[in-house]
Amino acid sequence: GQSLEQPSEVTAVEGAIVQINCTYQTSGFYGLSWYQQHDGGAPTFLSYNGLDGLEETGRFSSFLSRSDSYGYLLLQELQMKDSASYFCAVTEGNQGGKLIFGQGTELSVKP
Amino acid sequence: DAGVIQSPRHEVTEMGQEVTLRCKPISGHDYLFWYRQTMMRGLELLIYFNNNVPIDDSGMPEDRFSAKMPNASFSTLKIQPSEPRDSAVYFCASSLRGRLGELFFGEGSRLTVL
Repeated sequence: GQSLEQPSEVTAVEGAIVQINCTYQTSGFYGLSWYQQHDGGAPTFLSYNGLDGLEETGRFSSFLSRSDSYGYLLLQELQMKDSASYFCAVTEGNQGGKLIFGQGTELSVKP
Repeated sequence: DAGVIQSPRHEVTEMGQEVTLRCKPISGHDYLFWYRQTMMRGLELLIYFNNNVPIDDSGMPEDRFSAKMPNASFSTLKIQPSEPRDSAVYFCASSLRGRLGELFFGEGSRLTVL
């Protein structure tokens, strides 16, 4: 079976940097994705790591260590609009395959 | 592109009634996924299709749930008979072959079974 662990809640202040960690146990791992969800709306894709290392997209970066079954999402220069739920998700199966989500981390950004 | 389109956005029904949720994926996408989201269980994968063929339905909770994809532009998720514990937000998502991990989600169908 699969399991993904991420913190349930994180709080940070505007302008700060926050890191959301994700550890996973799965069979047939292909990569780790991150999604953002505001107020129960449609989850939106943020990033994907198929190889070890850091991927940067603007204020957001994502990291993967396959040997440690660990990844994180780094959010810099936090803004109020970043308050949302963040999900890590594991891809199983090549060429698009199956995506299994963690329970989500609720990020609250305070002024 | 219009994105993934789901209907209805909200449905309130009584226990025992049949519920049909609909999804139109993004044109050209090869994969279609149905997820269910609740506070207790998070985002659960129910079933996914590749080129209209069901690949993995191990997440479908019971025989009361069924899903079809008669063509590349339409899928349905049916619950018959519905029960209060089926109350959840049901999301449809689609993706492109070769774009690992990148799903495009619809706005969801919020189902309440009384």
